[in-house]
Amino acid sequence: DIQMTQSPSSLSASVGDRLTITCRASQSINFYLNWYQQTPGKAPKLLIFTASRLQGGVPSRFSGSGSGTDFTLTISSLQPEDFATYYCQQSYSAPWTFGQGTKVEI
Amino acid sequence: QLVQSGTEVKKSGESLRISCKASGYRFSTYWIAWVRQMPGEGLEWMGFIYPGDSEVRYDPSFQGQVTISADKSITTAYVQWNSLKASDTAMYYCARVTGDNGLDVWGQGTVVSVSS
Repeated sequence: DIQMTQSPSSLSASVGDRLTITCRASQSINFYLNWYQQTPGKAPKLLIFTASRLQGGVPSRFSGSGSGTDFTLTISSLQPEDFATYYCQQSYSAPWTFGQGTKVEI
Repeated sequence: QLVQSGTEVKKSGESLRISCKASGYRFSTYWIAWVRQMPGEGLEWMGFIYPGDSEVRYDPSFQGQVTISADKSITTAYVQWNSLKASDTAMYYCARVTGDNGLDVWGQGTVVSVSS
């Protein structure tokens, strides 16, 4: 199975901060990497697919980059509604796997 | 949208089937994934099904522990347990798989609570 490792596991930030979360795959996954946001009590929401493509309706302050084994999710200017847990997920080969999550706190 | 069945409270050893009803798109032509989230933990991919021909792929951790199925005549996907364990206590989500392999539409989740 492909292992996905996110860093950091948690972080504290302020409104307006620029934030970067990284995700590393245990082997090359080309660009088959997705990012999700989950707020407490809610289902996850797709933000970015195939590493860098913004899902419809997602604000442009979110962006993704990377290919192969190393990927990043960037939030250019953190907003109050962005405090959540973020997960990466590879869809290169089954079984699909998620990172352990990054919790973004105030 | 995907609408899941309601909260289940069960005892160890009991059987259970939870459902995920799809609407607003062509059900047969998109894979449906199931994702587990144990209390306070992250997301785990369980497997997915292609309702068009009922092909199923499981994560090895869930193979033999659950059965994923679908009935395209009523646009509904299912996860079934034959003998629940306390460790099955979790939130379970279904989600639609896009052509780009993202999970773009999610159900609201089904809470399964199993007591020993």
